[in-house]
Amino acid sequence: DAKTTQPNSMESNEEEPVHLPCNHSTISGTDYIHWYRQLPSQGPEYVIHGLTSNVNNRMASLAIAEDRKSSTLILHRATLRDAAVYYCILRDVEGNNRLAFGKGNQVVVIP
Amino acid sequence: DAEITQSPRHKITETGRQVTLACHQTWNHNNMFWYRQDLGHGLRLIHYSYGVQDTNKGEVSDGYSVSRSNTEDLPLTLESAASSQTSVYFCASSETGAPGETQYFGPGTRLLVL
Repeated sequence: DAKTTQPNSMESNEEEPVHLPCNHSTISGTDYIHWYRQLPSQGPEYVIHGLTSNVNNRMASLAIAEDRKSSTLILHRATLRDAAVYYCILRDVEGNNRLAFGKGNQVVVIP
Repeated sequence: DAEITQSPRHKITETGRQVTLACHQTWNHNNMFWYRQDLGHGLRLIHYSYGVQDTNKGEVSDGYSVSRSNTEDLPLTLESAASSQTSVYFCASSETGAPGETQYFGPGTRLLVL
């Protein structure tokens, strides 16, 4: 699986936007970019995914660089409930549907 | 609502005992997965199944086994528990495994091996 690189941790103020970067310079043309998050003492939950175009859903937005070597998860207005570990994961189209988790990015939201 | 459940939520056992962790999903998903999570690490894949009677080893499968006799359940067995298997265990499921598909995770089982 292609690798992703994320900061170990970030801080954000409550009610401000949060931009979580992810580098994936070895991404292949068929890799999807997935984001999951894990709240304290819970299982991971899906946030968003995309292939080439930017994506929006009720939780977040995903901005994908034109060369696809990086992406940014955007939380538009951070709340205390958004404090979690965020994982950026690549999934290929060759039938490998296992998720390869890294250590993720610990997001701290400051009231 | 469809869901994925794990039991027990907490378990304490002794070294050498056999332990089975249950995972049950009501989505009728074909694919099921077991991960473990240790402090300072992301989730690591133990075993997975793409359907009834199908099982496959993940990256940390030594000391663990699974069986898939129906669509809804994938129990994880520790044949002879070791202290190194103290961890939080998560079960997950997905429908088809397409690369754009979501995996749904259970709430986890905290296992302590003394």
